[in-house]
Amino acid sequence: GAGVSQTPSNKVTEKGKYVELRCDPISGHTALYWYRQSLGQGPEFLIYFQGTGAADDSGLPNDRFFAVRPEGSVSTLKIQRTERGDSAVYLCASSPDRGRDDTQYFGPGTRLTVL
Amino acid sequence: AQKVTQAQTEISVVEKEDVTLDCVYETRDTTYYLFWYKQPPSGELVFLIRRNSFDEQNEISGRYSWNFQKSTSSFNFTITASQVVDSAVYFCALRGTGNQFYFGTGTSLTVIP
Repeated sequence: GAGVSQTPSNKVTEKGKYVELRCDPISGHTALYWYRQSLGQGPEFLIYFQGTGAADDSGLPNDRFFAVRPEGSVSTLKIQRTERGDSAVYLCASSPDRGRDDTQYFGPGTRLTVL
Repeated sequence: AQKVTQAQTEISVVEKEDVTLDCVYETRDTTYYLFWYKQPPSGELVFLIRRNSFDEQNEISGRYSWNFQKSTSSFNFTITASQVVDSAVYFCALRGTGNQFYFGTGTSLTVIP
């Protein structure tokens, strides 16, 4: 079946602009995660959704970052007033169910470059 | 505190050699889960294995094997008879009773033909 997809694959924006990054999880997966990966580092947790609600957003670095998952499937990560330090690869992962099976399946990522 | 340490930043081996990637973790949780992921040059993280804290049995899958030792808080990964296609960055990750997954900084493996 189809894996996790993310769009766009690359996004170049200017400092101060607003961006939206989209994640389509594997069909039927109730849990969805967003991560940020900087060069040479491992993925860094941002936010976790169980269904439609953000069960844990403690990894969001500041209030410029926000994510939604209104229908419990597709999720959008929104970044306001982008800064050069936001440049990274943003990864999305989904898992069947956090309780029974929390194995995460990752998408290809969106490479965000803030000029 | 939850933490994963992968002390080996880069490893190079010649094809057909065996190689072990080290992973040391820290957690205060008695129930936790450990994972290994492979990130090839294409960039997409590929799931390799999940192990819970109550199962210390070593596991073998083809050329891959994992050695979980709670006494040393380690979850090491061995590739036997390495191949060029094994070249990638490998990440070890930990989830405790919370929601967050903690990844190490990764080990970049290069297999030289």
